[in-house]
Amino acid sequence: GAGVSQSPSNKVTEKGKDVELRCDPISGHTALYWYRQSLGQGLEFLIYFQGNSAPDKSGLPSDRFSAERTGGSVSTLTIQRTQQEDSAVYLCASSFDRSHEQYFGPGTRLTVT
Amino acid sequence: DAKTTQPNSMESNEEEPVHLPCNHSTISGTDYIHWYRQLPSQGPEYVIHGLTSNVNNRMASLAIAEDRKSSTLILHRATLRDAAVYYCILRGNYGGSQGNLIFGKGTKLSVKP
Repeated sequence: GAGVSQSPSNKVTEKGKDVELRCDPISGHTALYWYRQSLGQGLEFLIYFQGNSAPDKSGLPSDRFSAERTGGSVSTLTIQRTQQEDSAVYLCASSFDRSHEQYFGPGTRLTVT
Repeated sequence: DAKTTQPNSMESNEEEPVHLPCNHSTISGTDYIHWYRQLPSQGPEYVIHGLTSNVNNRMASLAIAEDRKSSTLILHRATLRDAAVYYCILRGNYGGSQGNLIFGKGTKLSVKP
């Protein structure tokens, strides 16, 4: 079956521009997570959505980062006024619910020049 | 957050068993032990998880010490495709931020033909 998909796969942007990253979770999965992975580093949790509940935003590094999940399915991570330190691979994952294993997408590689 | 300690790297020969250790001396009674792996240029992939008893699935086995302060991921017959970074993660009860996956640096496994 279809896994988690993310778009674009690569994004190059200029410092100060806004970017939107998209995640299509596995159909039927109620939980959705965003992580980022900087070069040579482990994964850093950003935000978590569960059904219609308020998202857990505890991992967002600054108020330039925000995310939405529309209709309990597709999610968009928005980074405003991008900085060079935002360069990383942004990974999305979904799971049947919070207690189940997470399935990860291939990620979006963001490069801020 | 409950922490895990893993060796930075390990080497194995193809078709031989691999034992990947993980120490988690501060584990709490409600923490599950999760293992994920990340192949080069891919998102992480769920491997296995357990609470107290040893667990087996098609990918691997998880051996958990009686005091739960350590565990070992066992790949019964390593293949070249098993070369990846393996993450041992403690995951608390599924409410609140303790349910999030906190990734450390993991163990980079190299498999020699």
